[in-house]
Amino acid sequence: GAGVSQSPRYKVAKRGQDVALRCDPISGHVSLFWYQQALGQGPEFLTYFQNEAQLDKSGLPSDRFFAERPEGSVSTLKIQRTQQEDSAVYLCASSFAGTTEAFFGQGTRLTVV
Amino acid sequence: QQQVKQSPQSLIVQKGGISIINCAYENTAFDYFPWYQQFPGKGPALLIAIRPDVSEKKEGRFTISFNKSAKQFSLHIMDSQPGDSATYFCAAVNTGNQFYFGTGTSLTVIP
Repeated sequence: GAGVSQSPRYKVAKRGQDVALRCDPISGHVSLFWYQQALGQGPEFLTYFQNEAQLDKSGLPSDRFFAERPEGSVSTLKIQRTQQEDSAVYLCASSFAGTTEAFFGQGTRLTVV
Repeated sequence: QQQVKQSPQSLIVQKGGISIINCAYENTAFDYFPWYQQFPGKGPALLIAIRPDVSEKKEGRFTISFNKSAKQFSLHIMDSQPGDSATYFCAAVNTGNQFYFGTGTSLTVIP
């Protein structure tokens, strides 16, 4: 595709509900990143994939957060038993291997009520 | 611990003026320093970036100044325009491609 595509754009979840956020990276991009952006803050790293391998998940805030990229393309960020503090914009970014220029999607705004 | 410190938090500049945003980092393992521009409801978009082997990079009205010894870098926007009004994030990237972002600067350019 022309850019990184994320869906849904907006998600409202009741506390305790599970959610799944999808990221379609730019075709051919090997690296994929997930970030969490709280209101008025900069994006904070969650996890990083190279192809289907999750090379770094040190930023995931708790074991309720899980990310996968089974075929090395589309990625899903899953949050189980959502809490109010999970409310944020979740950004996905992708890049070619060996480069540091990352392209971001528009993000998914998650609101937990 | 905030790996990259960014200031100011907000900035108001008259049209035609110079906007200056500063960032500082601690970890010497960073080897790539991009600046991103973010409009409301959009993801961050790469604006300009620099590697630590140069002290300055200019692209149009945008200039990055880099001081390796002080571990500081800044973004200068010359002839600021109302369309430049956005939030700007600096970032530092390590050799593992892990991005650390600053907390952002909200720029308003007054016509």
